[in-house]
Amino acid sequence: QKEVEQDPGPLSVPEGAIVSLNCTYSNSAFQYFMWYRQYSRKGPELLMYTYSSGNKEDGRFTAQVDKSSKYISLFIRDSQPSDSATYLCAMSRRAGSARQLTFGSGTQLTVLP
Amino acid sequence: EAGVAQSPRYKIIEKRQSVAFWCNPISGHATLYWYQQILGQGPKLLIQFQNNGVVDDSQLPKDRFSAERLKGVDSTLKIQPAKLEDSAVYLCASSLARGLATNTGELFFGEGSRLTVL
Repeated sequence: QKEVEQDPGPLSVPEGAIVSLNCTYSNSAFQYFMWYRQYSRKGPELLMYTYSSGNKEDGRFTAQVDKSSKYISLFIRDSQPSDSATYLCAMSRRAGSARQLTFGSGTQLTVLP
Repeated sequence: EAGVAQSPRYKIIEKRQSVAFWCNPISGHATLYWYQQILGQGPKLLIQFQNNGVVDDSQLPKDRFSAERLKGVDSTLKIQPAKLEDSAVYLCASSLARGLATNTGELFFGEGSRLTVL
């Protein structure tokens, strides 16, 4: 079993839809949770960063962490064609350690105009 | 501010040949990483440098992969001899401090070098 599981999609939604992207994980030691966005033929870029359980909102994006269920989500409101990309979840046992950063396999999202 | 620069963007070689990738991190970033991203998978850390010293190379296949960061700035990743399973995108990333920034966990990635081994 992989440490981090992410539905690869592809996911296709109409413009304006609410998108829900999810990851599950098996290691209860993970405390830092991130979402990276990767456009086609580009490198990943950090979108959201949260520590422990709870919600964090940034514009149209909301990251949610439920440590009791070992489940994290990224919600995109009013989705736009420019949101079309692959979304990678990532998590770490402690801050400051790239060695302990584990990425999901990514979910490919297409927002149709 | 210029981002992380990588070259070449694309490379096609035959198995058992050698290849080298170059990375120039964001100016002032002390930490540099090389990741391997196989199609349909998330990035996997190969090696981490702090200035010109190796912090972690535990996942680098040292029988065929090598990397250096002379003078603590640019870095080169070499594969010799290449195998079919080395086909992937090689991503270089950098960060200000050692490891991830404690308040954002942010790595700055380049666009990657896509390797196809035939």
